[in-house]
Amino acid sequence: DAGITQSPRYKITETGRQVTLMCHQTWSHSYMFWYRQDLGHGLRLIYYSAAADITDKGEVPDGYVVSRSKTENFPLTLESATRSQTSVYFCASRDEGHTDTQYFGPGTRLTVL
Amino acid sequence: AQSVTQLGSHVSVSEGALVLLRCNYSSSVPPYLFWYVQYPNQGLQLLLKYTTGATLVKGINGFEAEFKKSETSFHLTKPSAHMSDAAEYFCAVSGLSGTYKYIFGTGTRLKVLA
Repeated sequence: DAGITQSPRYKITETGRQVTLMCHQTWSHSYMFWYRQDLGHGLRLIYYSAAADITDKGEVPDGYVVSRSKTENFPLTLESATRSQTSVYFCASRDEGHTDTQYFGPGTRLTVL
Repeated sequence: AQSVTQLGSHVSVSEGALVLLRCNYSSSVPPYLFWYVQYPNQGLQLLLKYTTGATLVKGINGFEAEFKKSETSFHLTKPSAHMSDAAEYFCAVSGLSGTYKYIFGTGTRLKVLA
């Protein structure tokens, strides 16, 4: 299926564990983004990537690691999960051919106990 | 710092009434402007966008928005609310500081009353 997918959709983990959230897009968009959504904050950018092997920090990068070895995948890793990282995480990709529009995945709801 | 302000975290309207969701941004240059809708347990879906050209932009589901440079606003409207419009709406801007990154507002949850 064409589009952007995220896995898992729901995840419960414990403090201190490592967690990886997956994001996959089929459009071959160069830019990809990770956001977290929290009440009262809207969506905040964690990391973004301009191309394979090029990543950069967003507004709230602490505690997160990203990699992008292939254009279509952009995994987000929480190296040692904390309760403050309980959130809904959205991945997005940017369509350069449509004036900067970002398309979002369905989200991953992460709970850290 | 650039910012996006959505006035009213919760808005309630009666079915059939006008919907008006407000969005103001701070920028010295015209950015790209977007409205997204989020239904429960779903991702964000693009409603409409302003890039260049006509300042009145029409989107999906009967929504439209008008870019007013003098007021740095991009308010979202719909003449007649439907129960199915109940959702959270986010305004976003990009192109600020020459980047591709979005800045989002904090969202407005729209409730439609029968």
